[in-house]
Amino acid sequence: DIQMTQSPSSLSASVGDRVTIICQASQDISDYLNWYQQKPGKAPKLLIYDASNLEIGVPSRFSGSGSGTDFTFTISSLQPEDIATYYCQQYDNLPLTFGGGTKVEIK
Amino acid sequence: QVQLVESGGGVVQPGRSLRLSCAASGFTFSNYGIHWVRQAPGKGLEWVALISFDGTNKYYADSVKDRFTISRDNSKNTLYLQMNSLRAEDTAVYYCTKDIGSYCSPISCPLGYWGQGTLVTVSS
Repeated sequence: DIQMTQSPSSLSASVGDRVTIICQASQDISDYLNWYQQKPGKAPKLLIYDASNLEIGVPSRFSGSGSGTDFTFTISSLQPEDIATYYCQQYDNLPLTFGGGTKVEIK
Repeated sequence: QVQLVESGGGVVQPGRSLRLSCAASGFTFSNYGIHWVRQAPGKGLEWVALISFDGTNKYYADSVKDRFTISRDNSKNTLYLQMNSLRAEDTAVYYCTKDIGSYCSPISCPLGYWGQGTLVTVSS
């Protein structure tokens, strides 16, 4: 199975700050990497697919980059409504696997 | 618009069975593979199973293999998850999820549509 290591597990930042989350795959997954946002009590929401493509309707302050084994997710200017847990997920191979999540809070 | 509505969750004793359903609408159900993904309370996301568009191919996480069975009825636009020999560690919210149909790898596409989830609690 492909292991997805996500860091940090939590972070606290101020409104307007730039936030970066790292996801590392245990083997090369090309660009087959998605990022999801999950708010408490809600289903995950796809934000970024294929490592760097912004899903329709998602604000442009969200972005993703990387390829192979190392990926980055960025919120360019943190907003109060971005409080959530973020997950990376690989779809290069089954089983689909997710990172452990990053809980983002407002300082 | 795409809608996925799970049902069938509840409280069940260890060793017993439960069947979840996922009613789909807003897209041509028979054209898409569908997944089950679960989330234990306070924990992360875990992929459970995938069924191909026509039901021919089925794939499972090792943690549920030989206990869970994924199936579908394309005439009813409904996905199922038959869960047998349930364990305490199967306690979770179960989501059905459909991919976006593009930017696919050889085995899957990004999971763009999710139901609201149904809670399964395994407890004596």
